[in-house]
Amino acid sequence: DVQLLESGGGLVQPGGSLRLSCVTSGFTFSSYAMTWARQAPGKGLEWVSSISGGSGDRTYYADSVKGRFTISRDNSKNTLYLQMNSLRVDDTAVYFCANWVEGSKILFDYWGQGTLVTASS
Amino acid sequence: DVVMTQSPLSLPVTLGQPASISCRSSQNLVNSDGDTHLNWYQHRPGQSLRRLIYKVSNRDSGVPDRFSGSGSGTDFTLRISRVEAEDVGVYYCMQGTHWPPTFGQGTKVEVK
Repeated sequence: DVQLLESGGGLVQPGGSLRLSCVTSGFTFSSYAMTWARQAPGKGLEWVSSISGGSGDRTYYADSVKGRFTISRDNSKNTLYLQMNSLRVDDTAVYFCANWVEGSKILFDYWGQGTLVTASS
Repeated sequence: DVVMTQSPLSLPVTLGQPASISCRSSQNLVNSDGDTHLNWYQHRPGQSLRRLIYKVSNRDSGVPDRFSGSGSGTDFTLRISRVEAEDVGVYYCMQGTHWPPTFGQGTKVEVK
């Protein structure tokens, strides 16, 4: 079975940092592109960042997080990361990871259950 | 960015009766290959998001055939032929034709 499990969320002061992890199993991790999306309280889903499969040489970011967040992957650990710096109150959300076949235009096959990030003083 | 607009946002349903959710996009979702990348997701309480439908009308593996998708261009619909108790949750449409991918606001399906 395909499984994605996010962790690393928590309470952080505005301006602080967190690193999220998404540990995966049940599929050939290196053959899949990966993404992070988020859902703020009472709001809809928002795409945050994506990384290509293989070496992860291609990365993409929403304008709202560009320059503050960094997506990366470790194929040896089947794990996706999101380094979040300079966190703002409006970054407060449940963060989800999802996968899709590298090169496919059919996006976001499987999702994790999410990890809550709260940026508040 | 492409704006996805769902309606209704809340859908009280009677078990065994049909239900329908509409999704409209601010741009045509047909790409240069002639494909339309419109997906539907189900988010049940306490569970991961699950993709039900991809490319407008293709059911994912294991998805009951009471779920169906239709539409073209900018107007799309998810139908549940006979709602069951396990269908309670929030449903999202998502477009993947134009980058970045964008989602509808979600439709909460609950039993009357």
